[in-house]
Amino acid sequence: AQSVAQPEDQVNVAEGNPLTVKCTYSVSGNPYLFWYVQYPNRGLQFLLKYITGDNLVKGSYGFEAEFNKSQTSFHLKKPSALVSDSALYFCAVRDIGAAGNKLTFGGGTRVLVKP
Amino acid sequence: NAGVTQTPKFQVLKTGQSMTLQCAQDMNHEYMSWYRQDPGMGLRLIHYSVGAGITDQGEVPNGYNVSRSTTEDFPLRLLSAAPSQTSVYFCASRLREEAVTEAFFGQGTRLTVV
Repeated sequence: AQSVAQPEDQVNVAEGNPLTVKCTYSVSGNPYLFWYVQYPNRGLQFLLKYITGDNLVKGSYGFEAEFNKSQTSFHLKKPSALVSDSALYFCAVRDIGAAGNKLTFGGGTRVLVKP
Repeated sequence: NAGVTQTPKFQVLKTGQSMTLQCAQDMNHEYMSWYRQDPGMGLRLIHYSVGAGITDQGEVPNGYNVSRSTTEDFPLRLLSAAPSQTSVYFCASRLREEAVTEAFFGQGTRLTVV
């Protein structure tokens, strides 16, 4: 069965500093990987995805993520965090070819960017 | 383009009551799904549908029913609400089951069962 782990419940960072949100995954085949962000009282918004190709994926709002197959990780990064980046971030995986092509989410990491 | 629309946004139910959470999408997506979001547990899949007339169970289906009579609509029914079903519910859609495209989410329904 596929699974996703986000080891940090919360990440605190000062505005202007680099931001990293960690994600590791487990699948039996090849993964499709996604990052979503959720602002208070809102639905999830898509940030970026890895399907195949270049291991460094660039997405919305200056975010990027690096796929590392050997470490089964897909960490989300932003070089310079903004206060407006404070939100709940979810990593998700689909196991290519698995029955139902279901999307499995991690538990979420709350990011707090302080001025 | 409205995307994925969920109604209602908030609901309070008494234990044992039934209700239907509505979900509609206007993107002609074949694949639709329902998740519940609980603190620290991420989003867990309740039911999903790969097309009109086809539904299947996800990770936590007990206590919920779904149907998919049209491409656009995918309602979630709570047959006899329990306090354990207090949660935030999200409907999502994507183009097709096998598509590599991202899922689009509704704004959520916050349900409290007392």
